[in-house]
Amino acid sequence: GAVVSQHPSRVICKSGTSVKIECRSLDFQATTMFWYRQFPKQSLMLMATSNEGSKATYEQGVEKDKFLINHASLTLSTLTVTSAHPEDSSFYICSALQGSQETQYFGPGTRLLVL
Amino acid sequence: QKEVEQNSGPLSVPEGAIASLNCTYSDRGSQSFFWYRQYSGKSPELIMFIYSNGDKEDGRFTAQLNKASQYVSLLIRDSQPSDSATYLCAAITGNQFYFGTGTSLTVIP
Repeated sequence: GAVVSQHPSRVICKSGTSVKIECRSLDFQATTMFWYRQFPKQSLMLMATSNEGSKATYEQGVEKDKFLINHASLTLSTLTVTSAHPEDSSFYICSALQGSQETQYFGPGTRLLVL
Repeated sequence: QKEVEQNSGPLSVPEGAIASLNCTYSDRGSQSFFWYRQYSGKSPELIMFIYSNGDKEDGRFTAQLNKASQYVSLLIRDSQPSDSATYLCAAITGNQFYFGTGTSLTVIP
């Protein structure tokens, strides 16, 4: 199957700092990537859809100025959590859409803890 | 009405039994369907996808699609404790992905 990586896998930061998370499709090109957030024992929540070369589409209630998404190449999308606060602590998961199968493949996730 | 609905469970089956997970979808235009498995604390991993009516088998897993009744199911034969996880159903409608909230499965040794 297709492989998607995320970096870092875990990050702890102080309140007010910014954190960048990278999502890479390793063996296929992805014009579309997705960013999700998942709180403990809750469902996946789609935050935004990232399209290479264009602006991301954010879901209702997700602040685009707080969660900056850049999809600069066909294999890399980044999510930057700006001015992070403790309530931003969560499990952030990206996925990449493999076009030929129209299938989402998920990265391993990034666990963010904001102190 | 949600696009994709699943019973949240929990569903418990004894080891060696068949686990049956069900999912319904609301839009008849949905064209592709996926089952993902998510272990606690991990990200989802793809198990199977199905496009056509009928059954699709892969090892111990069988996906079943019934477009007339708008349901998708996943059967896990010879269930093992390592199958204990949350199973997510997803559907594509147009160019939109819709995930169910997941069914928690516990396989009891």
